[in-house]
Amino acid sequence: EPEVTQTPSHQVTQMGQEVILRCVPISNHLYFYWYRQILGQKVEFLVSFYNNEISEKSEIFDDQFSVERPDGSNFTLKIRSTKLEDSAMYFCASKNGEGSEKLFFGSGTQLSVL
Amino acid sequence: AQKITQTQPGMFVQEKEAVTLDCTYDTSDQSYGLFWYKQPSSGEMIFLIYQGSYDEQNATEGRYSLNFQKARKSANLVISASQLGDSAMYFCAMRGIANAGGTSYGKLTFGQGTILTVHP
Repeated sequence: EPEVTQTPSHQVTQMGQEVILRCVPISNHLYFYWYRQILGQKVEFLVSFYNNEISEKSEIFDDQFSVERPDGSNFTLKIRSTKLEDSAMYFCASKNGEGSEKLFFGSGTQLSVL
Repeated sequence: AQKITQTQPGMFVQEKEAVTLDCTYDTSDQSYGLFWYKQPSSGEMIFLIYQGSYDEQNATEGRYSLNFQKARKSANLVISASQLGDSAMYFCAMRGIANAGGTSYGKLTFGQGTILTVHP
């Protein structure tokens, strides 16, 4: 079965540094999402992206966060100046056309901010 | 706002037996969808099953079935014939009413999860 690919699987960074988390969604999918899961807590929606623009974002997704689909295959999440509380597992997800219910998740990037 | 509640932090089951993982939800939307995902220790999120609020029959996918009781706002996952590989974290999630572009289909609200341990 096709899968969503995320790199790196683990990322360690210093507080205040910029990080870019990368995702390759399934090739024919049109809708893209980022979620995060702080250790021991719920999985939380961050942002949805469709037609090259953000369609919805949560309160968590503040000005420090941005997303981009630079080349038609990759989907990235950038955190401009990381904070300790950004440490979490970040999941990319995608789905195909409107009305499709199945959301495919990647295996996640564990971000540790020191 | 939507809310998912999973009241069982952990569950144990003997191999080959059935187990039910509880999920209750709250929403003011008339149309919504309910999901179950499995998260093994390796971390990935694996889709298991989906139930639409207007589906009259309970969803089934192989050994997984969703016991949907709309009036009680519950969407329990039933795993039949448990296997050792079923040991994992299980999340119940829901999406609300669809927006015009359909992007809300992928905006899920998750519960806290239930850790299932299958004993040999």
